[in-house]
Amino acid sequence: DVKVTQSSRYLVKRTGEKVFLECVQDMDHENMFWYRQDPGLGLRLIYFSYDVKMKEKGDIPEGYSVSREKKERFSLILESASTNQTSMYLCASSLSFYTGELFFGEGSRLTVL
Amino acid sequence: EDKVVQSPLSLVVHEGDTVTLNCSYEVTNFRSLLWYKQEKKAPTFLFMLTSSGIEKKSGRLSSILDKKELSSILNITATQTGDSAIYLCAAALNTNAGKSTFGDGTTLTVKP
Repeated sequence: DVKVTQSSRYLVKRTGEKVFLECVQDMDHENMFWYRQDPGLGLRLIYFSYDVKMKEKGDIPEGYSVSREKKERFSLILESASTNQTSMYLCASSLSFYTGELFFGEGSRLTVL
Repeated sequence: EDKVVQSPLSLVVHEGDTVTLNCSYEVTNFRSLLWYKQEKKAPTFLFMLTSSGIEKKSGRLSSILDKKELSSILNITATQTGDSAIYLCAAALNTNAGKSTFGDGTTLTVKP
């Protein structure tokens, strides 16, 4: 079974702090994604990566950056957290460019005070 | 702008009822339509539909895609309390099949 692991399930940070969210997948998937999920807004794509060191902006990249130094690991970085970044963050992976099925991690619930 | 719309937003039924969840999409470079179930944690994959008119089935759940109408339905027969969840619909793109646009989801509550 594919496993996508998000290291932090719950985080509480203060406005202005730098936040790192880590995601690791164990099935050699090419694609990795970061989504945020908010009530009434569904899942929105922040960034995705189709290869090591490659990244593309999703629909809401402002205030975020990402890093993919190794194929299995994809990190989401909030350089200076703000209260409107309080959300559930979901990491996902998919096998390749041609496969649509996403495998999700259990989510990281971030609260910014 | 790509858009996926699900209806209804929420639904409350009793065990044994049959439900139909709707999903419509307007996306450029459409590749496939996916359904996910989300309980308390991560969404889990249910179906992927690429061809119009072909029903996919898994137990009491089934889904079909209508490319002419740009829509899909998810049917659940003989509902059980364990079916209570958020059901998410997503449109995957040809530009990268893993890059999906999601709807807001339908929250299904099944009462005993």
